[in-house]
Amino acid sequence: DTGVSQNPRHKITKRGQNVTFRCDPISEHNRLYWYRQTLGQGPEFLTYFQNEAQLEKSRLLSDRFSAERPKGSFSTLEIQRTEQGDSAMYLCASKPAADTQYFGPGTRLTVL
Amino acid sequence: DQQVKQNSPSLSVQEGRISILNCDYTNSMFDYFLWYKKYPAEGPTFLISISSIKDKNEDGRFTVFLNKSAKHLSLHIVPSQPGDSAVYFCAAENNNAGNMLTFGGGTRLMVKP
Repeated sequence: DTGVSQNPRHKITKRGQNVTFRCDPISEHNRLYWYRQTLGQGPEFLTYFQNEAQLEKSRLLSDRFSAERPKGSFSTLEIQRTEQGDSAMYLCASKPAADTQYFGPGTRLTVL
Repeated sequence: DQQVKQNSPSLSVQEGRISILNCDYTNSMFDYFLWYKKYPAEGPTFLISISSIKDKNEDGRFTVFLNKSAKHLSLHIVPSQPGDSAVYFCAAENNNAGNMLTFGGGTRLMVKP
């Protein structure tokens, strides 16, 4: 399967802990996006990369959130000092130059 | 401020009939619109899209209509099948602004056999 993969699929953590998620895009897709989806809502944009450059960050991305895409391949999203309000599904999508975004299965985060 | 809205949280349709899902947007800068389908525990799957320069795009059983003056689009599924039961998200993007997707809240479609 050469689709977008995300790990872990589920993460349960205690409030105040740090968590890191990984996204492996479809190879040679130069753009990579992160979204967050809470229950009953549509996904909301967080940030995106073109190759290794982070080009846009949403106001939703507080200082506790950081994303990287070293070498323009996989990406990581880290949340420091997690809060219960961070509980959500974190979705990653990748996109080639002239096509739509392809989503991974998501990482479901539960903060206790 | 919700720029993309799906006002019907759910829709129930009989198998074989037409399903019509609606979406409204407010941002005139959006120039590309997409529909995604989502099953539980999976990421959204692209279904069909339409550019703002068109008013209709068809792909098999799926047709998307765009009314730019009304800032309204709709997805028609004919005939509806039980396997179409899922949550459908309308999304919009601006090709000149990073192609970030702005999603509606989703409509849960249930197709009854």
